[in-house]
Amino acid sequence: DAGITQSPRYKITETGRQVTLMCHQTWSHSYMFWYRQDLGHGLRLIYYSAAADITDKGEVPDGYVVSRSKTENFPLTLESATRSQTSVYFCASSATNIGAQYFGPGTRLLVL
Amino acid sequence: GENVEQHPSTLSVQEGDSAVIKCTYSDSASNYFPWYKQELGKRPQLIIDIRSNVGEKKDQRIAVTLNKTAKHFSLHITETQPEDSAVYFCAASKGWGGSQGNLIFGKGTKLSVKP
Repeated sequence: DAGITQSPRYKITETGRQVTLMCHQTWSHSYMFWYRQDLGHGLRLIYYSAAADITDKGEVPDGYVVSRSKTENFPLTLESATRSQTSVYFCASSATNIGAQYFGPGTRLLVL
Repeated sequence: GENVEQHPSTLSVQEGDSAVIKCTYSDSASNYFPWYKQELGKRPQLIIDIRSNVGEKKDQRIAVTLNKTAKHFSLHITETQPEDSAVYFCAASKGWGGSQGNLIFGKGTKLSVKP
């Protein structure tokens, strides 16, 4: 859906570098999420946000930082990238606290 | 916390046959159960969901059933077509935000529909 976008779509970086993945949604959804998808683990929640300036940890938050100064944006920062953070990252949004979550197209991140 | 088990991990069917994917969950407080379809290289897309106050829900060739007592729910696809080939994920949640749990996903089922 064009309503939720992610950038960049592909990223190659080196161990120790800082990387920021962007997520933007045009639906004014209150809730936004960051997941990582790895073979054998399915989708795992990194962080989520219930509204601007409200964020909380998910299942695998270590090594990641998020912020949400505006409702429509939810950037994810890897402060010092590690090879174990090589993954596909999906952003998602939801209008309510229980109901459909809509996923962005994903960012494929490779950490060398 | 919630744990979702999904079976089988791979499923191969002939075009026109039915496919069934099963999931079990551990938290009896979970009350929302969506199913997502993910084609290769694409984003997960919601195909159907069910709330705990409903035992079954249908949408054309897709149906989901929920057994709260046994804590399991299933996805049924009838008259399968090659375009149904994808990875399917189940999930369970009691809502998100605050102290509530999040959406917990199963590890996926790769469905292959052979023409």
